[in-house]
Amino acid sequence: QTVVTQEPSLTVSPGGTVTLTCASSTGAVTSGYYPNWFQQKPGQAPRALIYSTGDKYSWTPARFSGSLLGGKAALTLSGVQPEDEAEYYCLLYYGGTPVFGGGTKLTVL
Amino acid sequence: EVQLVESGGGLVQPGGSLRLSCAASGFSFSYSWMSWVRQAPGKGLEWVANIKQDGSEKHYVDSVKGRFTISRDNAKNSLYLQMNSLRVEDAAVYYCAREWGYWGQGTLVTVSS
Repeated sequence: QTVVTQEPSLTVSPGGTVTLTCASSTGAVTSGYYPNWFQQKPGQAPRALIYSTGDKYSWTPARFSGSLLGGKAALTLSGVQPEDEAEYYCLLYYGGTPVFGGGTKLTVL
Repeated sequence: EVQLVESGGGLVQPGGSLRLSCAASGFSFSYSWMSWVRQAPGKGLEWVANIKQDGSEKHYVDSVKGRFTISRDNAKNSLYLQMNSLRVEDAAVYYCAREWGYWGQGTLVTVSS
């Protein structure tokens, strides 16, 4: 069974920079896994932030960026704002089948 | 404005059935891969099923294969999820999504006796 692994939790100070990662149990993550990133706040539906590794939606704040880093997909937040406190999920494609990571709870403190 | 509105959730006994619907508007539904994603209370997101634009290709997570069926009606801009033989562990908020930029607000499915 394919497992996508994220850090369970991270803490960052306002104005700081933090990188969330997304690893695959099958090996290194490449662009062929079409990494996607989502933000979810309590009581809300997920909101898409990044698709195809590093492409942004029209609504994605500039401080969010996606990349590949050390065999993982990565989401970097630069100049973190208090409103960035949320759960973040990555998603990887295995053929036609997407798999979500377990999520990273980001605390801004 | 893009809208995805789910309906059909509710309380059902184990072994029962439900049919979820998702009404889409504001985008070219017939050109979009569509997915159902669920989230159990206090848990993470779990992809459930997706369907190609013309319905010719469908994929399911292993835990629902043989029990759930995804379908679509492009003439009605609607996505469906027929859920049979429901289990307690299927209880969740079910979201429909246009992969992956647009999501509905979800519909709650409770499976309990």
